[in-house]
Amino acid sequence: SYVLTQPLSVSVAPGKTAEITCAGDNIESKSVHWHQQKPGQAPVLVIHRDDGRPSGISERFSGSNSGTTATLTISRVEAEDEADYYCQVWDGSSHHVVFGGGTKLTVL
Amino acid sequence: QVTLRESGPALVRSTQTLTLTCSFSGFSLASTGMCVTWIRQPPGRALEWLARIDWDDDTYYNISLRTRLTISKDTPKNQVVLTLTNVAPVDTATYYCARFASAWHEVDYWGPGLLVTVSS
Repeated sequence: SYVLTQPLSVSVAPGKTAEITCAGDNIESKSVHWHQQKPGQAPVLVIHRDDGRPSGISERFSGSNSGTTATLTISRVEAEDEADYYCQVWDGSSHHVVFGGGTKLTVL
Repeated sequence: QVTLRESGPALVRSTQTLTLTCSFSGFSLASTGMCVTWIRQPPGRALEWLARIDWDDDTYYNISLRTRLTISKDTPKNQVVLTLTNVAPVDTATYYCARFASAWHEVDYWGPGLLVTVSS
């Protein structure tokens, strides 16, 4: 089955840029979506279709997808960005929704 | 405005069948491309996809749980039901229903989640 691999944790100082990666075999052929989950809350879609921002999502969030790695980039990081982030794709071969293992973003 | 909400028991006993209902508004499962999916998250752990049902009645299941899961829909009522048979303490998790837009294969709206504890 298709596997998405994310780093367990990323730390960044306020005002700096955070990058969270999501690795998968030929992931560039898939549409990648990113979900933010704050403690005790349901996830929220923050990037869809590789690099699109849903309505209401800060422009500080951006995404890219190339080769075997998709990347979520958060610019000018704020304390409120501290959360778990999950990448998500649809694997057409197995007919599964696939999530990465999640990355905990810590704002120092 | 799309909203979803999960309902069901907060506590079930081992070996019982868990039945969860997702009630939603703001979209219809009669519309082409609309789907509802279930996802769970054990305490402190990652998201795990469970099942999906589409506007055209197609269903998809996590292969590791396929024999225990059933997903169904009541289109006029805007509800989707998930059953999980023969539960065990490892099934303790927050269960989320979410909308899945098949055009781009994205989970785009989530319910608030329902914590279900399985007692032994």
